[in-house]
Amino acid sequence: DTGVSQDPRHKITKRGQNVTFRCDPISEHNRLYWYRQTLGQGPEFLTYFQNEAQLEKSRLLSDRFSAERPKGSFSTLEIQRTEQGDSAMYLCASSVGTGYGYTFGSGTRLTVV
Amino acid sequence: DAKTTQPTSMDCAEGRAANLPCNHSTISGNEYVYWYRQIHSQGPQYIIHGLKNNETNEMASLIITEDRKSSTLILPHATLRDTAVYYCIVRVPQAAGNKLTFGGGTRVLVKP
Repeated sequence: DTGVSQDPRHKITKRGQNVTFRCDPISEHNRLYWYRQTLGQGPEFLTYFQNEAQLEKSRLLSDRFSAERPKGSFSTLEIQRTEQGDSAMYLCASSVGTGYGYTFGSGTRLTVV
Repeated sequence: DAKTTQPTSMDCAEGRAANLPCNHSTISGNEYVYWYRQIHSQGPQYIIHGLKNNETNEMASLIITEDRKSSTLILPHATLRDTAVYYCIVRVPQAAGNKLTFGGGTRVLVKP
């Protein structure tokens, strides 16, 4: 296992369309996180899972956003009715418990036109 | 999590040591100092962390002042591949959520 994988790397979509991103964490990592990063800013926390349970959601995560981690392995992040303001890099990270070993994926860059 | 203050940007000469400062004057006793970096078009990468003692690993050294209100990340021999945005984060490892709160970071440019 070489790290956290995210798919796709790039996504261009028209405003109003739905998009779904996938994250495959490091296999033994029980915690999985989603972050969003806009140009020139640091990543912002969106939500996290411990195994299959979604334990926290940021206020940034509007009703149009939903995340799942059905079997405690991979996770999906769906954005419904995309808006231009959703254009950003969406990063996934995983870790074991509360340790320091966060590992980030390379992200999915979303462009809403 | 305590707020951190970092310079917006800094340049460094290749082969020289890069010293990246971070102020965290409101840090509490159980908060650790973490450093991550983000190379262009990649996700953030963990570098090092510490509580109050100085730490060193294969990537960098972390120097924390005795009062813990500031710290310095040292890249001993900067290379062009160290060009990145460096984030200083303070947090309690066992805090609920275990999430990282990123600020703006320091944009480091290593020049030949």
